[in-house]
Parts: sequence; C-alpha cells; structure tokens
Amino acid sequence: GAVVSQHPSWVICKSGTSVKIECRSLDFQATTMFWYRQFPKQSLMLMATSNEGSKATYEQGVEKDKFLINHASLTLSTLTVTSAHPEDSSFYICSATVNPGTSGNEQFFGPGTRLTVL
Amino acid sequence: AQKITQTQPGMFVQEKEAVTLDCTYDTSDQSYGLFWYKQPSSGEMIFLIYQGSYDEQNATEGRYSLNFQKARKSANLVISASQLGDSAMYFCAMREGRYSSASKIIFGSGTRLSIRP
Repeated sequence: GAVVSQHPSWVICKSGTSVKIECRSLDFQATTMFWYRQFPKQSLMLMATSNEGSKATYEQGVEKDKFLINHASLTLSTLTVTSAHPEDSSFYICSATVNPGTSGNEQFFGPGTRLTVL
Repeated sequence: AQKITQTQPGMFVQEKEAVTLDCTYDTSDQSYGLFWYKQPSSGEMIFLIYQGSYDEQNATEGRYSLNFQKARKSANLVISASQLGDSAMYFCAMREGRYSSASKIIFGSGTRLSIRP
C-alpha cells in the first residue's frame, strides 16, 4: 500500500517551454503532497507544500510564478515549470502523507522526474 | 539554520562489516521524528527506519538500527553485515513537532556509502 507515482519519469524540453509533472497517490487519499527538488550530488530541498483545494505554500526562495502547483483532487498534484531554463534542470520528487499509525513512516515518495532543459 | 547535519560525505566499507552513518540534529521542539532514507542510483527514496522523540527504545528494522541519543541530539544509523546492495546515498531527516498531515520533513546533506566486495 501507500504507492505514489510520478509522470513522466523523465522529460527533455527546450528552453522557454513549460513542463507539467504529475504526482498521484494510487491507493490512498493524500490531503497534503510535497514537492522537492534535488540537484546532482545534493540533498532534497523542499519547494512547496500542496494542499488539496487550496493554494500551495512555497518555501523561501522558490518562485511561485515559475513553479505552479495545483492540487485538484485528493490523489493528484501537479507541478508546472513555466518558461523552463537550463538552470531548472533537476530531479523533482513528490511525496504524499498518510496517517502514520504506529510505524512513523508518514511520507511516501514518488519515483521522481528528471527534467533536462536544453 | 541547518537542522540536520551529516558530516560524512562518503564512506567505504568492506562487505559484511557493520557501518555507522552519523546524524546530528537541532530542534527546540520536544516532539519530533527522525528518519533515515536510502536513495540508490535510480533516485527513488526508500524509507528505512523511524525514531520518535518519545520512543524510549532505539528503533530497529532488520539489519538497520537507529542509535538515538537524545541528550546529544544524535540519530546515527547502524547497518549490520553490510551487503553490496547497500551502496547508495543515505539521508537523515527530521520532522519537527507533532505529526500532522502538513508536517514537513527536512533532509540532511547525505552520505554516500560504497560497499567493497
């Protein structure tokens, strides 16, 4: 259980175009999803917290107009990188939270999307 | 301020040996959670183990154990009998405060573990 998928798994686009990445919780409802960015050989940096039916909360330094987040349903959040540039090339990972029960494993991660902007 | 510190950028360990990955954290909350994740070259984040701040026993999951020293604010991961498949990046992470669905998890810089045959 608690499977999170991302689509696409990788994408190559030209500079100036927009790219949409989907994050889906397959077997549970996620009121909250998180978007992370990971540059090569670096850690995961939280970009924003996405809540179903409301505006996303962005971390300091993340441009909300460049990284559009929509959480339209309890199982789907999308991240759109608008007017992408080569410096936006990165590995984007989403996660979704479930009630922790007793395990403490609260966040389940998607497999990630590798974005390359030419 | 950096909340999670992993001081070992890389480690090499002989197969079948035990290895300890260091993690220290900083928080003023009394309630928090500590996590370890494994990230192989494929990029997926694999949950390994969790320790709650109020848990009195050190967490264990198979070959993984978490050496939780609350007063020293450390949460080291111990992998016993290392295997070649353990070669990966390992991230220590923390959730501050009591759990809610909106709780954020902050990650350390990671340690790249390489197992020698």
